[in-house]
Amino acid sequence: TQLLEQSPQFLSIQEGENLTVYCNSSSVFSSLQWYRQEPGEGPVLLVTVVTGGEVKKLKRLTFQFGDARKDSSLHITAAQPGDTGLYLCAGERNDMRFGAGTRLTVKP
Amino acid sequence: DAGVTQSPTHLIKTRGQQVTLRCSPKSGHDTVSWYQQALGQGPQFIFQYYEEEERQRGNFPDRFSGHQFPNYSSELNVNALLLGDSALYLCASNSGPNPYEQYFGPGTRLTVT
Repeated sequence: TQLLEQSPQFLSIQEGENLTVYCNSSSVFSSLQWYRQEPGEGPVLLVTVVTGGEVKKLKRLTFQFGDARKDSSLHITAAQPGDTGLYLCAGERNDMRFGAGTRLTVKP
Repeated sequence: DAGVTQSPTHLIKTRGQQVTLRCSPKSGHDTVSWYQQALGQGPQFIFQYYEEEERQRGNFPDRFSGHQFPNYSSELNVNALLLGDSALYLCASNSGPNPYEQYFGPGTRLTVT
């Protein structure tokens, strides 16, 4: 059983659409990170959220950490083909625990 | 500024053999963590090295061992390879023993036949 559950597992949308992916857990984390991973490469850190209720924006990406620090969401506005990839969330306790990821495909 | 580097990029081994993977951390980082990522899964934490000692360990058998050198580079050794050890092995580095703000290398793709 994954400590962090990500949903949906797969998402295929058209360029210009908006989307939200979720990362949920029953455990509390001291911080949570979002990564994007492309085939054959290591994950690339997008953002770290630390405070419950925190919202961070990175251009068209908006990240939110739940008030109880158990869950997080990633919202992408006006998706572009370059956003295609595997989006991973990772929660920090004594070590880093990753979810299985959401595989996003944005079609031109 | 050099990022995290790993070698080799690809490796094919036979069941029962032993393998050593190598990692050089990002400049200024002193902590190295190793992860195993099976196809279609997220990375699974193997262990972390800080100050040349194993500080944290995930749920992996003793066949998985590691080492950190004085220059902060690290090795991951896997003995008695099983078919199920086939995966992408990722190294990540950060500053200090806290895994906050890790940077990943490109990984080593290990195939066990």
